Amino acid sequence: KQEVTQIPAALSVPEGENLVLNCSFTDSAIYNLQWFRQDPGKGLTSLLLIQSSQREQTSGRLNASLDKSSGRSTLYIAASQPGDSATYLCAVTGANSKLTFGKGITLSVRP
Amino acid sequence: GAVVSQHPSRVICKSGTSVKIECRSLDFQATTMFWYRQFPKKSLMLMATSNEGSKATYEQGVEKDKFLINHASLTLSTLTVTSAHPEDSSFYICSAQLGTSGAYEQYFGPGTRLTVT
Repeated sequence: KQEVTQIPAALSVPEGENLVLNCSFTDSAIYNLQWFRQDPGKGLTSLLLIQSSQREQTSGRLNASLDKSSGRSTLYIAASQPGDSATYLCAVTGANSKLTFGKGITLSVRP
Repeated sequence: GAVVSQHPSRVICKSGTSVKIECRSLDFQATTMFWYRQFPKKSLMLMATSNEGSKATYEQGVEKDKFLINHASLTLSTLTVTSAHPEDSSFYICSAQLGTSGAYEQYFGPGTRLTVT
């Protein structure tokens, strides 16, 4: 059974700092890995999707990497801003075509 | 980009009543739709997978008689919570996918907050 782990559960950083959010998964047989953002009480916003054949994807200040063999992904956020404060969820699509989510990392960027 | 809507966004109902939540893919035909449930400070848990015109496939531990799922068209799936109880209060999110393979991206709706009093 696929398990997705995100540690730590919460992170607080000062504005302007570059930061890395980590995600690990137990079964490397995946179609893709996705990073989502979720604001309190809201739905999911897809940030980046990395197909299993890819190593990384970039969008603006965000860069996500995927090391499928080691079961790890990182989301790099450059020059963090208070508006980046949210919960960031990592999810993998397994061979059964189902998405398995981590519990998320709640990020707080202090002005 | 692909847009998925949910209605209602928020609903409060009394214990014992039934509530229907709609999930629509607005600009594409969704062969497969998924329903998730999210408890406070918890991850999203897949409840069921539905393919258009077929019966939904429920995950282990999800009561299919309580959570009725209908996927009558390629753009609409509904989740009906029957005889709702306070423990059914949760955030329900749907997603839609163009094909049946996991290679297709899932596009998520904005979620429905259900409160059962």
